[in-house]
Parts: sequence; C-alpha cells; structure tokens
Amino acid sequence: QVQLQESGPGLVKPSETLSLTCTVSGGSISSYYWSWIRQPAGKGLEWIGRIYTSGSTNYNPSLKSRVTMSVDTSKNQFSLKLSSVTAADTAVYYCARDLGSRRGMDVWGQGTTVTVSS
Amino acid sequence: QSVLTQPPSVSGAPGQRVTISCTGSSSNIGAGYDVHWYQQLPGTAPKLLIYGNSNRPSGVPDRFSGSKSGTSASLAITGLQAEDEADYYCQSYDSSLSGPGVFGGGTKLTVL
Repeated sequence: QVQLQESGPGLVKPSETLSLTCTVSGGSISSYYWSWIRQPAGKGLEWIGRIYTSGSTNYNPSLKSRVTMSVDTSKNQFSLKLSSVTAADTAVYYCARDLGSRRGMDVWGQGTTVTVSS
Repeated sequence: QSVLTQPPSVSGAPGQRVTISCTGSSSNIGAGYDVHWYQQLPGTAPKLLIYGNSNRPSGVPDRFSGSKSGTSASLAITGLQAEDEADYYCQSYDSSLSGPGVFGGGTKLTVL
C-alpha cells in the first residue's frame, strides 16, 4: 500500500526558506494530486497547496507569494519550499495524496515538525 | 477564522450518538463541492473517515456516517466508544479566494 514520508530540516532560521520533501513508496506518484498541509501546535489543519504530477499547482492564496511546489517523478518525490519564514510558520507539516474534490486525501505522511527560530 | 465552521467541542457518553456540524457558504459546500471528514487521534496524522459527503473508506466502521444539505454537512457517530475520542475536521473545496482546499477549524470529541 502507498506510504508517504516527509523529510527535511527540523529547524529553520527566520527569513530563510523552509524546504521539505515527501517520498512516495509502495505505488506510483503519477496521475495524482499531492498536497501539503500544516498544523501549528494545538491548532487546526491548514491546506498549503497541491501539485499534480504534470507540475500544475494550486496554492492557498494566503501563502501563495511564498510557496513553491515541485515534483520529481523519477524519484517518486514531491517538494515544498516556503520562503521568508517567521515563527508563525512553526508547525507540523504533512504531505498527503489528494484524490480530488470528490474523494478527499486518502493517504497521509506521519508529519514532520519544523521550528522557525534563530 | 476558518472558511468552514465547526463547533470547538462535543461530548457524549459511551454508547450514545453525537453529531458534528460543518457550516460553509455558497462558494464551497453550497456550490456543490463534496465534504470529507478526517479523524485525528492524539499525536497522529489525520485519517480519512468519510469522503464524498457520505462514503466510508474500507475499514471505517459503519458507526460513522456523513450527510450534506445546502451549505452544511454533518458527521454522526453512533455507539460512541472510548477510542473515538479525537479531533475531527471537515474539508471541502472553495471557488472563491480561499483556494481549492479548505478545512474546518476542527472539533474535539470527548467521550465521557
């Protein structure tokens, strides 16, 4: 069965760029949407954006100016970059397989904690 | 302020039935977009509980059911069990500036 694993630095300095990768195992990355979601400690889920394996993207308008997503089908990976981070970007970051508007997000990674601090 | 509104908390005794509401608007649920529900147990990633308003993925007990009407949706849990204590989130799409993926603020279910 498909499994997702997030990876990347757990600590990022303010004003720098947060970079995370999600590795897909047990299945192909092709022909799906892949989403990033984050959750500050003790708070709710926030959808960051999604990418299709063709490279087409949709971003949360509140984060759009700072977000870049990419996909590497040869490695079965997709990535998130969030620039100019502040303490408000400290959160658990999840990647998920997004089946679209009618099916929801059916597979989630375990999440990775990113702290923004100097 | 979430685009989809959920009650912060609900509670019920074991064996009882509880419902969690998710209220949206004409640009999301009311526009015909489906609603999905996720269960997040403490310290774990969210898990898809209901998709397409009322469908259960394989392995989800039939104690969990979903419905949608107008600009709102509901998650019902019958025969409440201690292991149902978790946070529950609704999710839908939005055609306005909120973007295609929107979540409710989440509801904490306490089993008394």
